[in-house]
Amino acid sequence: EVQLVESGGGLVQPGRSLKLSCAASGFTFSDYNMAWVRQAPKKGLEWVATISYDGSSTYYRDSVKGRFTISRDNAKSTLYLQMDSLRSEDTATYYCASLLPGYPFAYWGQGTLVTVSS
Amino acid sequence: DIQMTQSPPSLSASLGDKVTITCQASQNINKYIAWYQQKPGKAPRLLIRYTSTLESGTPSRFSGSGSGRDYSFSISNVESEDIASYYCLQYVNLPLTFGSGTKLEIK
Repeated sequence: EVQLVESGGGLVQPGRSLKLSCAASGFTFSDYNMAWVRQAPKKGLEWVATISYDGSSTYYRDSVKGRFTISRDNAKSTLYLQMDSLRSEDTATYYCASLLPGYPFAYWGQGTLVTVSS
Repeated sequence: DIQMTQSPPSLSASLGDKVTITCQASQNINKYIAWYQQKPGKAPRLLIRYTSTLESGTPSRFSGSGSGRDYSFSISNVESEDIASYYCLQYVNLPLTFGSGTKLEIK
């Protein structure tokens, strides 16, 4: 059974940092590109970042470029999102999701809530 | 960036009705559109990819169509378990962009 389990969310002050993790199981993690997608409270879905299957390529939405870093450890089947210089508008539930060519966001985690507030 | 204009924002339907949601892309997306269902408090679920290909486990009452810039998603014979929000996604170009969502309610 495919499982993606996020962790690391919580309440953080503006300007501070937080690192999210996503532990994968039930599929060959190292074969899949992966992504983070977020959803602000009562709002729609927003793609945040993508990393290639081997970690060699990364892509970010403009609003997080230079502040967020996506990475992965294929030996541990784990995806990460380092979030620095957090802003109130980063408050959201963050989901990790799989990305195979032709199979966009087929697998999702349950999400982890990040609240940026003083 | 490709903008996805989704409508309507909400729908109220009776059990057994057919409902249709549309997404219009700001440019040709060559059928690279997917549709997701999200129930309250849950992660989204991929229902349809590449305009009309149903994912394993997606009931046949769900369908998708379209080309170029204009796409639609339909549910025939709406059931109570279909109460959810639905989102389109274009995946032809980065940044990947979602529509704003449609909330389906039962009358």
